[in-house]
Amino acid sequence: GENVEQHPSTLSVQEGDSAVIKCTYSDSASNYFPWYKQELGKRPQLIIDIRSNVGEKKDQRIAVTLNKTAKHFSLHITETQPEDSAVYFCAAARLNTGNQFYFGTGTSLTVIP
Amino acid sequence: EAGVAQSPRYKIIEKRQSVAFWCNPISGHATLYWYQQILGQGPKLLIQFQNNGVVDDSQLPKDRFSAERLKGVDSTLKIQPAKLEDSAVYLCASSQFGELFFGEGSRLTVL
Repeated sequence: GENVEQHPSTLSVQEGDSAVIKCTYSDSASNYFPWYKQELGKRPQLIIDIRSNVGEKKDQRIAVTLNKTAKHFSLHITETQPEDSAVYFCAAARLNTGNQFYFGTGTSLTVIP
Repeated sequence: EAGVAQSPRYKIIEKRQSVAFWCNPISGHATLYWYQQILGQGPKLLIQFQNNGVVDDSQLPKDRFSAERLKGVDSTLKIQPAKLEDSAVYLCASSQFGELFFGEGSRLTVL
């Protein structure tokens, strides 16, 4: 099955700085790569996703990049704010062939005011 | 639109006891997932249903865990007998066109 690795496991940044979280995957057939944000005691919520036919996607302060050849994708958060503090999970999935989602181990992001 | 509903939110049991969790997915979502999230780890897929059929249960410890999705809507996940290592949050998620929607989760503590 798919194996998703995520780094770093913890990340502290000053407010206003950028944060980058990286993930690698093993299954070249994976074609959908979502990122979830999970605040303490709450459900994971989708913040951005990218499909394998796209190299980059942006949504305000959040962007995701995908390198299919290297099998890695990254989450970029610019101008970080204290409310960005949470655990972030990457995932890889094969949409339309099984739809199983495999998650990374998570990155705990702390934004220091 | 109503989200994924789960109950109970919290459950504390002794080891070797049994427990059941219930999930009601978003209306119309054909795919339903149960994930186990141990503290500090990412969600681990236990079982995936497409309507009322099982798509993937390869990581479900079948000697103690069981799940069903009768009529292709609600689902129940049961653990019997529970072990200490089953302490985790059990997340239910549903999907129709790719995006996963999670419930709030059921936090299980096994003493």
